[in-house]
Amino acid sequence: NAGVTQTPKFRILKIGQSMTLQCTQDMNHNYMYWYRQDPGMGLKLIYYSVGAGITDKGEVPNGYNVSRSTTEDFPLRLELAAPSQTSVYFCASSPSITGGKYEQYFGPGTRLTVT
Amino acid sequence: ELKVEQNPLFLSMQEGKNYTIYCNYSTTSDRLYWYRQDPGKSLESLFVLLSNGAVKQEGRLMASLDTKARLSTLHITAAVHDLSATYFCAVDEDGGSNYKLTFGKGTLLTVNP
Repeated sequence: NAGVTQTPKFRILKIGQSMTLQCTQDMNHNYMYWYRQDPGMGLKLIYYSVGAGITDKGEVPNGYNVSRSTTEDFPLRLELAAPSQTSVYFCASSPSITGGKYEQYFGPGTRLTVT
Repeated sequence: ELKVEQNPLFLSMQEGKNYTIYCNYSTTSDRLYWYRQDPGKSLESLFVLLSNGAVKQEGRLMASLDTKARLSTLHITAAVHDLSATYFCAVDEDGGSNYKLTFGKGTLLTVNP
């Protein structure tokens, strides 16, 4: 299994541009999450999904959108990039509790700079 | 709003010494996680603590959970350089079925020879 994969690894955007960060998992996990990590601030939840077709906001959703049309994919969309969105973005997934496992598995991250 | 506080935020240790990282959280929860992050890398799961009194050990690291005190500890025994990393605790809101995690700010551990 590849686990959780993210593309691209690095990206530089100009203010006002749009882009989609891709996230795919091959573990058949129901739950998927997007976090951003700023220096010294830990990780903050942007959006999450409990299954295909179901998404909800996390702590810092403004400026982002998500969709979940399949179990495997959970893309994150930035519509009008702003310097405040410069961060490292992590996608994660976890199985449902019926499997008795609760931990989240993280992708390698996307480092985004908005200038 | 669930708050998770770790201390210390920075820890410089000598090899061979013992130390403890503390994780306090503000609401009731019986699910707590510890992750490790190496510089420029992703997060790696270390421990999942699912009940009051839970204790887990892996090598030189031992984690425990006291849900009544809302406190988890990560104890490092006889530190070695390879343990240098940032350690995060994360808490799952009590009763939540979505497994949304709130993370602490992390403890940057540096182990010096």
